[in-house]
Amino acid sequence: DAGVIQSPRHEVTEMGQEVTLRCKPISGHDYLFWYRQTMMRGLELLIYFNNNVPIDDSGMPEDRFSAKMPNASFSTLKIQPSEPRDSAVYFCASSSRWGSSYNEQFFGPGTRLTVL
Amino acid sequence: GQNIDQPTEMTATEGAIVQINCTYQTSGFNGLFWYQQHAGEAPTFLSYNVLDGLEEKGRFSSFLSRSKGYSYLLLKELQMKDSASYLCAVHTGGGNKLTFGTGTQLKVEL
Repeated sequence: DAGVIQSPRHEVTEMGQEVTLRCKPISGHDYLFWYRQTMMRGLELLIYFNNNVPIDDSGMPEDRFSAKMPNASFSTLKIQPSEPRDSAVYFCASSSRWGSSYNEQFFGPGTRLTVL
Repeated sequence: GQNIDQPTEMTATEGAIVQINCTYQTSGFNGLFWYQQHAGEAPTFLSYNVLDGLEEKGRFSSFLSRSKGYSYLLLKELQMKDSASYLCAVHTGGGNKLTFGTGTQLKVEL
């Protein structure tokens, strides 16, 4: 299996621009998670989906952030408009409740976002 | 609310043993995970505890006390490649939602 795939790996944009991050979970996984990691706040859960349905979006910082999962193999996280404080590494992770007994989450390589 | 505490940094010597502690106060508890994250890379799964006691996996062991809200990760025979951040995460509520601590940066020296 190729693991969780994220694109782009690096994104540099200017304040006010729209940013779209993409994620392909591991085939067969029914949970998908979006995290943001910064030095100050660590790894924060933004939103997660189960069977393509958003379950908990309480971590989404504000209305500028939105996430979708149109099918089981694709999800997007969009920031519009972007601000310098959104600069962080964004991770996507997936897991399966029917997999190992641990139900561990598998993380993608992350997208390093810099907003100038 | 959720509160997970870990030391920010630790330093240890190659070949030694190090214990990384994690204390938590969470609404709900369905298990505790430890993840390893090397600089510039994604977190990777190390261990999982849901019952009190010690789980051993090679050089790594993890302990849990649910009554005390306490866990530790024990790394034996330290190697330079063990230099990384170690993240404690609690599985709370339904689904597979995890709440992460801010991580402990471990530096292994010669």
